[in-house]
Amino acid sequence: GQNIDQPTEMTATEGAIVQINCTYQTSGFNGLFWYQQHAGEAPTFLSYNVLDGLEEKGRFSSFLSRSKGYSYLLLKELQMKDSASYLCASMDSNYQLIWGAGTKLIIKP
Amino acid sequence: ETGVTQTPRHLVMGMTNKKSLKCEQHLGHNAMYWYKQSAKKPLELMFVYNFKEQTENNSVPSRFSPECPNSSHLFLHLHTLQPEDSALYLCASSQDPGSPTYEQYFGPGTRLTVT
Repeated sequence: GQNIDQPTEMTATEGAIVQINCTYQTSGFNGLFWYQQHAGEAPTFLSYNVLDGLEEKGRFSSFLSRSKGYSYLLLKELQMKDSASYLCASMDSNYQLIWGAGTKLIIKP
Repeated sequence: ETGVTQTPRHLVMGMTNKKSLKCEQHLGHNAMYWYKQSAKKPLELMFVYNFKEQTENNSVPSRFSPECPNSSHLFLHLHTLQPEDSALYLCASSQDPGSPTYEQYFGPGTRLTVT
């Protein structure tokens, strides 16, 4: 079956660094997506990885290891506005996104 | 402003009511999607439309009926719903569902409560 696993909730301190992990098992693989969703708002696209390695985009970076079925989202210099849910999704061979349940990130002052 | 709008934002309906959710995208995309989001569960893909043609129906009960009159508008018609259908219904659009490099743009969702 197809499955995406990510932690349900994480807590971090303002100014710190946090890593949100995601493991995936899908029928085929066409890339790994990360989305951010603030409470009561629409999910918004953060990153897309299809090749192994780290992609950096400002304070956010995303890593992929296809052989391990593993990705992480790294958030640096955390700000209070980063409090949100972070959704991991793998695109399968039919180009459908298979979603994780999301990781709720709580930032404390 | 994400370019995808949804109305209404909140809806409370009884199990015998009929209502419709509306989605409009202003991004010139070709594909539109309906998702169901329940608390602490993964997003569930319900329907996909590409160039107004339905390409996916993920075993959704017939009490949910989609309609896509053109590439910019998508409706979800609801009738005789069950309390377990209470959830956030998200609409999304993308340029091309067959491309691995596309990203989906989401609307703010309709929070549906079935009483």
